[in-house]
Amino acid sequence: AQSVTQLGSHVSVSEGALVLLRCNYSSSVPPYLFWYVQYPNQGLQLLLKYTTGATLVKGINGFEAEFKKSETSFHLTKPSAHMSDAAEYFCAVSSPASNQAGTALIFGKGTTLSVSS
Amino acid sequence: DSGVTQTPKHLITATGQRVTLRCSPRSGDLSVYWYQQSLDQGLQFLIQYYNGEERAKGNILERFSAQQFPDLHSELNLSSLELGDSALYFCASSPRTGRTGELFFGEGSRLTVL
Repeated sequence: AQSVTQLGSHVSVSEGALVLLRCNYSSSVPPYLFWYVQYPNQGLQLLLKYTTGATLVKGINGFEAEFKKSETSFHLTKPSAHMSDAAEYFCAVSSPASNQAGTALIFGKGTTLSVSS
Repeated sequence: DSGVTQTPKHLITATGQRVTLRCSPRSGDLSVYWYQQSLDQGLQFLIQYYNGEERAKGNILERFSAQQFPDLHSELNLSSLELGDSALYFCASSPRTGRTGELFFGEGSRLTVL
């Protein structure tokens, strides 16, 4: 079975500081990994994803994440936080689909990012 | 706008009642997923449908059921509601080429059971 652990339910940073949100996964097969963001009263929006290939993936709004197989990690980073980054962030894992039906994502419990001025 | 539409956005009902949540996937997407988001459980996968057929089941209670219709919209039926069923229910769809892995989420239906 697959699972995701997000370390730290709340992370607070100052505007302009480095953002680091931690995610570790468990999977018996090579995983697909995702970061989603949820703004208040909205649905989840994809930030970035890793499927195959380059282990450092870049997403929207200046975020990036690195897949480290040896550490079973997929931490999310952004060099300089902006007030608009305040939201809840979810790490998710799935396994490659064997057909076009797709597979469900398994989510971590989320990390709330607060950004202060 | 993800292209996934959910109705209603808010719903308040009483314990023991039954409600139906509706989801229209993005145009062309064949798979629909239902998730429940609550403060204590986080985002829990409930069930997936693909082109009208049940594809995968997660932590869905027996009091809950879903279906996907020929026009690909889906409904999640919640019955004998309990206080603990209060949550945000999300629908998501995935592209026809499902191997990309990405899901597109609606804005959710917030259910409050009093």
